[in-house]
Amino acid sequence: EAGVTQFPSHSVIEKGQTVTLRCDPISGHDNLYWYRRVMGKEIKFLLHFVKESKQDESGMPNNRFLAERTGGTYSTLKVQPAELEDSGVYFCASSLDGGRQYFGPGTRLTVT
Amino acid sequence: RKEVEQDPGPFNVPEGATVAFNCTYSNSASQSFFWYRQDCRKEPKLLMSVYSSGNEDGRFTAQLNRASQYISLLIRDSKLSDSATYLCAVNESMGAQKLVFGQGTRLTINP
Repeated sequence: EAGVTQFPSHSVIEKGQTVTLRCDPISGHDNLYWYRRVMGKEIKFLLHFVKESKQDESGMPNNRFLAERTGGTYSTLKVQPAELEDSGVYFCASSLDGGRQYFGPGTRLTVT
Repeated sequence: RKEVEQDPGPFNVPEGATVAFNCTYSNSASQSFFWYRQDCRKEPKLLMSVYSSGNEDGRFTAQLNRASQYISLLIRDSKLSDSATYLCAVNESMGAQKLVFGQGTRLTINP
């Protein structure tokens, strides 16, 4: 069974640019989560989708971040415009029924 | 105060040693508890869920103390392959599924 996949694995952009991260959950998993780890800090929750609906977006830092999951399959997380403090590793996770969360390999974002 | 706090580490122990990690959480209503393992530049992988009665999986034992609001992980007969960062994670309320992570403890097993 394929795991959670994320694209790209690395992204280096300049401050002010836009970046879109993609996550493909495990097939059949209705629950999809985004997390972020910035340098030296713990992994922090960003938001949770159930199918195409945002169940909990309490962790989204500000309105420069937009997450979508059209059709309830893959999800995108867009950062526009990117700031230096957005640098970090963005993890996606999925779960079948709200239980065990399986994490993807992450996207390492560097904003210069 | 952080919601979930872990031993700062790093821990450097010889192969075969027993090592213990503790993790405290601030929300007394927390419902579910987990230990994750994260290898360098990899994703977190679930090591164990932690139950009130305590649970064991081979060389690994996890305990939960609700009264004192901490969870622990014990690794016996440590192997070189146990070297990793260990993260505790807490699901704070029924119905909410977001995980709150500790900062992680780096463990290195030395030959």
